[in-house]
Amino acid sequence: GESVGLHLPTLSVQEGDNSIINCAYSNSASDYFIWYKQESGKGPQFIIDIRSNMDKRQGQRVTVLLNKTVKHLSLQIAATQPGDSAVYFCAEYKAGTYKYIFGTGTRLKVLA
Amino acid sequence: DSGVTQTPKHLITATGQRVTLRCSPRSGDLSVYWYQQSLDQGLQFLIHYYNGEERAKGNILERFSAQQFPDLHSELNLSSLELGDSALYFCASSVFLGGETQYFGPGTRLLVL
Repeated sequence: GESVGLHLPTLSVQEGDNSIINCAYSNSASDYFIWYKQESGKGPQFIIDIRSNMDKRQGQRVTVLLNKTVKHLSLQIAATQPGDSAVYFCAEYKAGTYKYIFGTGTRLKVLA
Repeated sequence: DSGVTQTPKHLITATGQRVTLRCSPRSGDLSVYWYQQSLDQGLQFLIHYYNGEERAKGNILERFSAQQFPDLHSELNLSSLELGDSALYFCASSVFLGGETQYFGPGTRLLVL
């Protein structure tokens, strides 16, 4: 079926280090991508998005990279903090489908 | 706070019963999306409504139905509930039809006993 991303893996990083979370998307025609952060028991929270006409977009402490050649999306978090501990999901959207497809997510654990 | 509200926060019911989950989108948003999230799983898209009309369907069971009302709030109806329907149900809203930022509500946790 439709899928984006990997089975839920866990990424452990030391506080203060940079984190890189990866996502493989399935539809080469997708033209919009979003990263979400979900803390336990809460709804997903928007982090950053990128359109297919861009390769990179930066926010506050976060950067999203899009490699359309290999259908790969990554989220880089600089100077990871304990508050960054959560599950991170990528999602893709293709114009005209009217739906977003989410990956299974990556759990980020920040070690003190 | 995303501006999307969902009620109730928690719901405990028995197999075979029917429940209704409610979602109010952010002010000005015309689209409402429903998702199901089982334990430690990703978000499974159920259905999308835009300005009162159904626009897309995912793997939504026939026992599930939804609608969006003229005031743009939406309801997800789950009937003949089974143990496997226990999950978190989220709604999200966006301004237009899609391809834009989607904001999620806090979710409704459904437990079917």
